[in-house]
Amino acid sequence: GEQVEQLPSILRVQEGSSASINCTYENSASNYFPWYKQEPGENPKLIIDIRSNMERKQTQGLIVLLDKKAKRFSLHITDTQPGDSAMYFCAAKRANYNVLYFGSGTKLTVEP
Amino acid sequence: DMKVTQMPRYLIKRMGENVLLECGQDMSHETMYWYRQDPGLGLQLIYISYDVDSNSEGDIPKGYRVSRKKREHFSLILDSAKTNQTSVYFCASRRQGANTGQLYFGEGSKLTVL
Repeated sequence: GEQVEQLPSILRVQEGSSASINCTYENSASNYFPWYKQEPGENPKLIIDIRSNMERKQTQGLIVLLDKKAKRFSLHITDTQPGDSAMYFCAAKRANYNVLYFGSGTKLTVEP
Repeated sequence: DMKVTQMPRYLIKRMGENVLLECGQDMSHETMYWYRQDPGLGLQLIYISYDVDSNSEGDIPKGYRVSRKKREHFSLILDSAKTNQTSVYFCASRRQGANTGQLYFGEGSKLTVL
């Protein structure tokens, strides 16, 4: 299988600052790393993902970095807004396998 | 419209009662999943289904079983529910062979076992 560790579990930042969430994985065969955002009472939704043939991906204030050597990937939210407050989950998937293994989640609070 | 629908959204049962959680998707996705979500534990995979009548245990299958008789429909069954099965259950689907691993989640079913 796969084990995905996610830190921190709780993160509080001031509006306008950056927020960073880090994940590590164990299986070097993992090649797909999505990030999901879950707002209170709602379902998780994909916000950004990165494949193992990339080291960096950016979209709409989100940056994902992947360090395959260290088996580590991270999500960086720039210029945080109160609307970014939510649970964030990282995940990893192995090639040719259908299972997504999730981290334990990070509760992000952006304070005005 | 790409949608995963779960029923019921909220359910209260007594210990020992049977529970049926239903999930439907309109995307003809081959692969479907049942996860449970508990605080501090993230999303744990209970069962995965690769297509009709092709199901495999996930990481925490004990106390659960599933049924998939139609591609668009995947059920989670708890025979004799236990209090530690109180949780939020999410169904998800994914297109087989998709270049990404994106899962489409339902809205969740909050189960309370008294």
